[in-house]
Order: sequence, then structure tokens, then C-alpha cells
Amino acid sequence: QVQLQESGPGLVKPSETLSLTCAVSGYSISSGYYWGWIRQPPGKGLEWIGSIYHSGSTYYNPSLKSRVTISVDTSKNQFSLKLSSVTAADTAVYYCARLFRYVGPWGQGTLVTVSS
Amino acid sequence: QSALTQPASVSGSPGQSITISCTGTSSDVGGYNYVSWYQQHPGKAPKLMIYDVSKRPSGVSNRFSGSKSGNTASLTISGLQAEDEADYYCSSYTSSSTLFGGGTKLTVL
Repeated sequence: QVQLQESGPGLVKPSETLSLTCAVSGYSISSGYYWGWIRQPPGKGLEWIGSIYHSGSTYYNPSLKSRVTISVDTSKNQFSLKLSSVTAADTAVYYCARLFRYVGPWGQGTLVTVSS
Repeated sequence: QSALTQPASVSGSPGQSITISCTGTSSDVGGYNYVSWYQQHPGKAPKLMIYDVSKRPSGVSNRFSGSKSGNTASLTISGLQAEDEADYYCSSYTSSSTLFGGGTKLTVL
């Protein structure tokens, strides 16, 4: 059974960089699929942030592309998100997930608050 | 890229059927048979209910069904139950992105 678990700071200061990691168990990232990040601001809908293949090829949401970097570490079977120059608008629950023709499985999500 | 368009809310009584629409463009919903639907209860991660327009994952009730016509996909829930009250999101996979709808709040009266 494939499981994903997000980790990282729950509080980030404005203008700093948000960094999260997703550990994958039950499946080797090197075996295939895209892996990515989705966020959900409090009380709002889902927003795709970006996806990465095990080879390192990436796709990003155009609205966030200038601030987003997604990387993969196949040796640790995990992938990471960096979002730079954050503002309060980046406060959200961040989910990592496997992405193919659909999204799933999902991690449980982690709330990241941007505040000084 | 724009989000897919869903109604903000729908409602129905127990036992009734409801349909939630999801409208995109020929570049996403209309161009690929990769529409999926997710159910989200408060404080929980989304749960996959339908994928590839009309396929149900193992364990999902056959009261949930999906379809597509042109640039609009639909999720139908028959025999509404109280536990179906949740937010529902559609999604469309393309070769370079994943789009989500704005979400629909289903209220079971």
C-alpha cells in the first residue's frame, strides 16, 4: 500500500522560503508515475502546484512557476517542495500526492502558516 | 490556465439523485478522458471517487457515477445518504498540468 507523509515547518515568515518534504513508502519513486504538490488555503479549493517525474522532469502551475522548485531524491524515496518569497496568501494545507491520470494516493496534508 | 467551473453548491434529500457539473475547455476536459472526482470531508484529505471520467476505484459505492459530454464532465450521486454531505472537486489531467474545479458543497437536506 502506497503511503505519503509530508513534513516541514508549520510556520514560515513572510518573504522567506517554504520547504516541505514528502516521504513515500510502499512504492519506489524510481518505478514511475509523477509525484507532486497540491495546496488548499483555509476554506478554499484545491490548487495544483507542480509535479515531478523520477527522472527529474517537472511541470509547474504557471501562476506559481517563478517561485516554485520541486526536486526528487530517489535514494531516500522522497520529493520536496520549495516556494520562495512567501506571503500570507501562501497560507494553506499542503498535500503531496502521486499524480497520473488522477491524484492519489494523497498524504494527510500539513498546514503551513505564513506569519511574522 | 483557468480552474474548471463547478457550481458552488447543490443539495438534495436522502434517497434522491444529484448531479454536479464540471466545465472546462477542449484543451483539458474535452481533450482528454482523464477527468477525476474527489470527495472531501472537513479536515480530511480528498478521496478519489471517480477516475478516467467514469471508472470507480475499488471500495467506492456504485451510487457514484461519472460521465462526460464535450467540455463538461458530470458526477452523479444516486440514493443520497447523509454521509455523502461533503465538498466535491473535479480534476482534469493534461500532458503538462493538473487542473481542479473550484469545488461544490453538497448538502443533504
